[in-house]
Amino acid sequence: AQSVTQPDIHITVSEGASLELRCNYSYGATPYLFWYVQSPGQGLQLLLKYFSGDTLVQGIKGFEAEFKRSQSSFNLRKPSVHWSDAAEYFCAVGAREYGNKLVFGAGTILRVKS
Amino acid sequence: DAGVTQSPTHLIKTRGQQVTLRCSPKSGHDTVSWYQQALGQGPQFIFQYYEEEERQRGNFPDRFSGHQFPNYSSELNVNALLLGDSALYLCASSLTGTAPEAFFGQGTRLTVV
Repeated sequence: AQSVTQPDIHITVSEGASLELRCNYSYGATPYLFWYVQSPGQGLQLLLKYFSGDTLVQGIKGFEAEFKRSQSSFNLRKPSVHWSDAAEYFCAVGAREYGNKLVFGAGTILRVKS
Repeated sequence: DAGVTQSPTHLIKTRGQQVTLRCSPKSGHDTVSWYQQALGQGPQFIFQYYEEEERQRGNFPDRFSGHQFPNYSSELNVNALLLGDSALYLCASSLTGTAPEAFFGQGTRLTVV
């Protein structure tokens, strides 16, 4: 079965500190991996994506993520968090073999302390 | 480019009623997927429409149905509403034949009372 696990429901970091949000997936096909961000009551904004090639991908707002096939992980990182990064972050996986539907994790809520 | 647009933004319905939500995909996209996001959860795939047909369906009852029009826009219909149908309904558009990069609308917040 396809599944995505985000182990941390909530994370609190101080402004200016580094951030890592964890994501593990279980998928029976070559995965495409995504991170989305959602502000309260809003839709999902794509932060970054991995399809193939370089396993370290850069996204918007200074975020990056690293795909590790051996660990089935796709962790999101940011070297210095800003107060405006407070939001909920979702990891998602898809594959052409499954008709391009996305399977999402339960999300991680990021709180930023000033 | 207007991106993915959904209407209405908010909706309040009574149990047992029926509701229709609408979505216009991003320009150039031909595939529309619908997701349900209950409070505190990640989005759950409802179904996907391509070439005016339901191509794939998630684990949702038949009360959930949809339609895609020749201009690629789509509707989601829910019959016999239950309190548990209260959620944010997200529409995502993509282009079939490419990697599954989906662009999401702002969602419709449905409250069933």
